[in-house]
Amino acid sequence: DQQVKQNSPSLSVQEGRISILNCDYTNSMFDYFLWYKKYPAEGPTFLISISSIKDKNEDGRFTVFLNKSAKHLSLHIVPSQPGDSAVYFCAASPDNAGNNRKLIWGLGTSLAVNP
Amino acid sequence: NAGVMQNPRHLVRRRGQEARLRCSPMKGHSHVYWYRQLPEEGLKFMVYLQKENIIDESGMPKERFSAEFPKEGPSILRIQQVVRGDSAAYFCASSPGVSTEQYFGPGTRLTVT
Repeated sequence: DQQVKQNSPSLSVQEGRISILNCDYTNSMFDYFLWYKKYPAEGPTFLISISSIKDKNEDGRFTVFLNKSAKHLSLHIVPSQPGDSAVYFCAASPDNAGNNRKLIWGLGTSLAVNP
Repeated sequence: NAGVMQNPRHLVRRRGQEARLRCSPMKGHSHVYWYRQLPEEGLKFMVYLQKENIIDESGMPKERFSAEFPKEGPSILRIQQVVRGDSAAYFCASSPGVSTEQYFGPGTRLTVT
């Protein structure tokens, strides 16, 4: 039962254009969402996050949009650069009463930015 | 400030042996998380620990797997009597508190032959 879904396993974009990576979730109790970037043979690197009380968060070239009613979020990278080529994971955190902040992960989208 | 350290980076074990994976969190971080990534899959949560306490082990297989985070020293993920299906990348992450922004180590790639 995949609670966080990234339906596009791969995406190819031209350098300088916008990359849009999508993520859907099924659990309405998720209250915090994160995007991680992962290169081969390395651990995931935190990129950007968004709380469920917001609908947009921006950090440089990266912007995350959250549509709670649709249970959908997206990561926009503009302009895309060849160094952005990596696997991007969407992750969500359940709203627990306690301290637990385990992350539930999508399967990832492999982004290729072509020069 | 060094990042999260994991060792070994690669570990080969024969079926039935024990595997010990170590994780040193970032300085000042007292929360440790272990995740497993099977081939062609996303990361799956295994266990969340604070110093000397297991907070959530809902993702850990009931048998053969255990984790600890002692007062001194690294966190250890231990897999007894490994089987081929345990072959995966095991990632450790740490955070300074209940922050959801977890910082990951490079992973340990376990191969069971």
